[in-house]
Formats: sequence, structure tokens, C-alpha cells
Amino acid sequence: DAKTTQPPSMDCAEGRAANLPCNHSTISGNEYVYWYRQIHSQGPQYIIHGLKNNETNEMASLIITEDRKSSTLILPHATLRDTAVYYCIVDNYGQNFVFGPGTRLSVLP
Amino acid sequence: DTGVSQDPRHKITKRGQNVTFRCDPISEHNRLYWYRQTLGQGPEFLTYFQNEAQLEKSRLLSDRFSAERPKGSFSTLEIQRTEQGDSAMYLCASEGSGTDTQYFGPGTRLTVL
Repeated sequence: DAKTTQPPSMDCAEGRAANLPCNHSTISGNEYVYWYRQIHSQGPQYIIHGLKNNETNEMASLIITEDRKSSTLILPHATLRDTAVYYCIVDNYGQNFVFGPGTRLSVLP
Repeated sequence: DTGVSQDPRHKITKRGQNVTFRCDPISEHNRLYWYRQTLGQGPEFLTYFQNEAQLEKSRLLSDRFSAERPKGSFSTLEIQRTEQGDSAMYLCASEGSGTDTQYFGPGTRLTVL
């Protein structure tokens, strides 16, 4: 079973920030939080990952709470092309990914 | 494009036939993974190679499934005597030493009639 829980779906207006939450209350000290997304009929796309510090790259920001029991993926200016299923995964060293059902994000015009 | 390629992208076969899929990972990536994804679900782990050694297999990988990575580069996944329940997207991912991140290919969609 996946070690994370995510809302099944979310909507976001185009141009606004999309904030996708993830709960991982049983995360252990050496486990990273990974985010991937999957656009319809394509393979999952890596977005970002982090251990305990907040991370930012050209795609998104990852905010991890101090107790590491939850995190939020932020897409700062969502576009229609960001419509996808977003998966939050916790794992050590990225080798034992267990995907849950993810959050289906719909970016609305 | 992540640099991981899979072939074919689509395969339609009749029940009972054998099928083989190929995955070419990112050059120099020593780890290679296979996943299966059915409609509406997240990908499910099938098996994992480090170089040419198959290190882990899921219980989902029945004896009709076999995977190889003979020279530690490309990999093949074969399904013998296909069943309708094998219809799914088969995904390959590769990971390089020290990257701690898997990069996925576009997948092969299998339809068993």
C-alpha cells in the first residue's frame, strides 16, 4: 500500500497557484518525498523531491512541514498543460516507489 | 522526452499469443525498472535490474512474465500466453547512480483481445 494520502481531485484556475497536499504521517527519517505527474497516456514525469528542506526548481516548489508528516507541491502559475494526475511518493533512495491513485488536477480556463 | 524509450508504443494481440516489449534506458543508467499500470490506477512495480542482475520481482510477475537485461543496457519484458487481464500500460524507468530519481519512458500500451 502507498504510504501517502492525497485528495482524489482538485481544480485550479489558469494563472493561479496550484497547491497540492500530501499526507505521509508514517514517513521515516531517511525517506524522501517525491512528486511525479502523469499527463494522459504518457509516462510519469519527475517534478521534484526533497528530504526535509523546502525545494524549488523550474517546475515547482516543494514545502515539507517541520515534522515531515505532510508536504505541499506548489505550481506557481498553473497553465492548461499542467492538467494531470499528480503522485506523491515517499521512499528512501528512489528505488521502491509505491504509487497511490494520486490527485487529478484540472486547470480551468 | 526523458531519454528513456520504449518499443512498441502500442500492441494489440489475441489471447494466448506471446508479446515482447523493449526498453532503452538513459545511457549510463545502471538501474532499470518495469511497472504495469491499469486504467485509473497508479503504476505498480513489477521488477528491477541493477546492471544485468534482476534484483527484485513483484508477486504480480507471474510465471508467464519474464524480463531480461542481458548486457546491462536495454531490457525486454516478455508475456507468454497473454490473457485479457494483461491489458495495461507497461512502463519502464531508469535511474543513474547517485541520482535517487527514476525517469520514465512513454510506456507500451497492450491490448489483449
